[in-house]
Amino acid sequence: SQTIHQWPATLVQPVGSPLSLECTVEGTSNPNLYWYRQAAGRGLQLLFYSVGIGQISSEVPQNLSASRPQDRQFILSSKKLLLSDSGFYLCAWSLPAFSYGYTFGSGTRLTVV
Amino acid sequence: DAKTTQPPSMDCAEGRAANLPCNHSTISGNEYVYWYRQIHSQGPQYIIHGLKNNETNEMASLIITEDRKSSTLILPHATLRDTAVYYCIVRVRNNNDMRFGAGTRLTVKP
Repeated sequence: SQTIHQWPATLVQPVGSPLSLECTVEGTSNPNLYWYRQAAGRGLQLLFYSVGIGQISSEVPQNLSASRPQDRQFILSSKKLLLSDSGFYLCAWSLPAFSYGYTFGSGTRLTVV
Repeated sequence: DAKTTQPPSMDCAEGRAANLPCNHSTISGNEYVYWYRQIHSQGPQYIIHGLKNNETNEMASLIITEDRKSSTLILPHATLRDTAVYYCIVRVRNNNDMRFGAGTRLTVKP
């Protein structure tokens, strides 16, 4: 069966520090991968998605970036965090021609102080 | 560019059916209706999806009107654990993004 792992669960980082959040999927090949962010009391915002190694589509211009160095690994990064980067970050995967929707990870709650 | 409209909140008594409406009047012929829910501090969970026929699974039933301009998610016997935000999304099945609106906050009360 397929599983998605996302870590860390919580993170407190100072303004201006770098960020690296990692997401890995097991039990499937060539998944579509997604990063979402949910600010406090707000809806889910799609940040990036990837349909293959090295292929990244950005939905919202900001100081975040994403990379997919391996088929089942998706990384969200920032060189310098802003206070506005605080939020709940969720990774998700789907099959390329899926019928059943997305499977989300458990999320990382990031607080920038 | 919201494609769906949902009430911001609803209450339901435990053990009763919860009926969550969604309007999607601009839905196109190749767009599916998907439902997810998000329990506090967790990632969204897929519930059900459909194109034009009514659908049922172990979690819920999806009723889509004949003109496809609206749908209703039915939780037949709501429990306290069904308290969550429920999202209705319309999209082409193979599209590479899933855009979530504000959803409906369902509170199941004892």
